Amino acid sequence: DTGVSQDPRHKITKRGQNVTFRCDPISEHNRLYWYRQTLGQGPEFLTYFQNEAQLEKSRLLSDRFSAERPKGSFSTLEIQRTEQGDSAMYLCASSPNTEAFFGQGTRLTVV
Amino acid sequence: DAKTTQPPSMDCAEGRAANLPCNHSTISGNEYVYWYRQIHSQGPQYIIHGLKNNETNEMASLIITEDRKSSTLILPHATLRDTAVYYCIVRVGLYGGSQGNLIFGKGTKLSVKP
Repeated sequence: DTGVSQDPRHKITKRGQNVTFRCDPISEHNRLYWYRQTLGQGPEFLTYFQNEAQLEKSRLLSDRFSAERPKGSFSTLEIQRTEQGDSAMYLCASSPNTEAFFGQGTRLTVV
Repeated sequence: DAKTTQPPSMDCAEGRAANLPCNHSTISGNEYVYWYRQIHSQGPQYIIHGLKNNETNEMASLIITEDRKSSTLILPHATLRDTAVYYCIVRVGLYGGSQGNLIFGKGTKLSVKP
């Protein structure tokens, strides 16, 4: 499968714990995006990478969130000191130019 | 905020054409119209995009009005597997340094019924 891969698919964590998600984009896609989606809403933009450079962060991305894309390949999204409001689907997408290809997402539940 | 307006829900009979409208009255000259869909519990899937000409691919057709203030996505023969939320998005072209992140609204929930 050469699509966008996200790991894990599901994560349940206790409030206050740190979690890290991984996204493997389609090979040679230089653009990578992270989105968050809550029930009944469309995906909300979090952050964008072009190669290894993080070029934009949404105001939704609080100080507890950090994203990296070392070497311009895979990316990680870390949430520190999770809160119940962080419960959502976290989606990763990659793009070569026009259309973006999304992964299946990581569903986070904070209990 | 999303720059598009879509009806929250629509029904379509299986085998019939599904016509999903979208209003984007403030679209700029360099913005494209993109359509994505999201089947339950999956990531969004690209369908089609266009600038001003009508477009067709193996999944759908996109009809953009001459003034570009609205468009219609057409699924010619809807099947039960087309049941999904359909998002209409306007987005600047990715050339010239634009980052091209997609701004999603709430979309239209299309229910295809037997």
